[in-house]
Amino acid sequence: SAVISQKPSRDICQRGTSLTIQCQVDSQVTMMFWYRQQPGQSLTLIATANQGSEATYESGFVIDKFPISRPNLTFSTLTVSNMSPEDSSIYLCSVDTGSYEQYFGPGTRLTVT
Amino acid sequence: AQTVTQSQPEMSVQEAETVTLSCTYDTSESDYYLFWYKQPPSRQMILVIRQEAYKQQNATENRFSVNFQKAAKSFSLKISDSQLGDAAMYFCAYRSFIGANSKLTFGKGITLSVRP
Repeated sequence: SAVISQKPSRDICQRGTSLTIQCQVDSQVTMMFWYRQQPGQSLTLIATANQGSEATYESGFVIDKFPISRPNLTFSTLTVSNMSPEDSSIYLCSVDTGSYEQYFGPGTRLTVT
Repeated sequence: AQTVTQSQPEMSVQEAETVTLSCTYDTSESDYYLFWYKQPPSRQMILVIRQEAYKQQNATENRFSVNFQKAAKSFSLKISDSQLGDAAMYFCAYRSFIGANSKLTFGKGITLSVRP
């Protein structure tokens, strides 16, 4: 397994601003993932972040809106840019430890006013 | 593309009783992984159990077990001796065996409540 932390745990932001969410894992992992989860709903994959390469975005998500960095094998950031109330969600990062299992961070609850 | 269906949005169980959560999936692949995740109100996603499609034996983890029916593409989770701490949202998920970048596909989830 892996121990994953996220910062911040929650935030309230004004529309038009940006927020960067950090994800730190306690071991080196090749693949990290960013998900969005609206309250009471399932998880939607935003992008896959591999170290040393550009993130791969899912349909409906673009780099200009959700830029991702992956500077090393234990850390990644997701930025939610030019926020609107529709971006209010829980954002979760997860990692693949190489055993085809994904482990998740505690999530960041974002509210945009 | 693979799809995962959890048709029951909510279920309730009496403490100490047994409950089964249903999940079906659709795929044309023969090798894959299936998972059940638990998400309590704290929102931390917790991996409950994993099943490899090539294994005929159903996976078991303490009070949690699965009934994997590959031909029927069914993957249900049985929780025995239910406890108050089992109350959570449960997600069924599918992952292809092929490709290191294969992603998880989640069902819509089911909310389980446990009555004391």
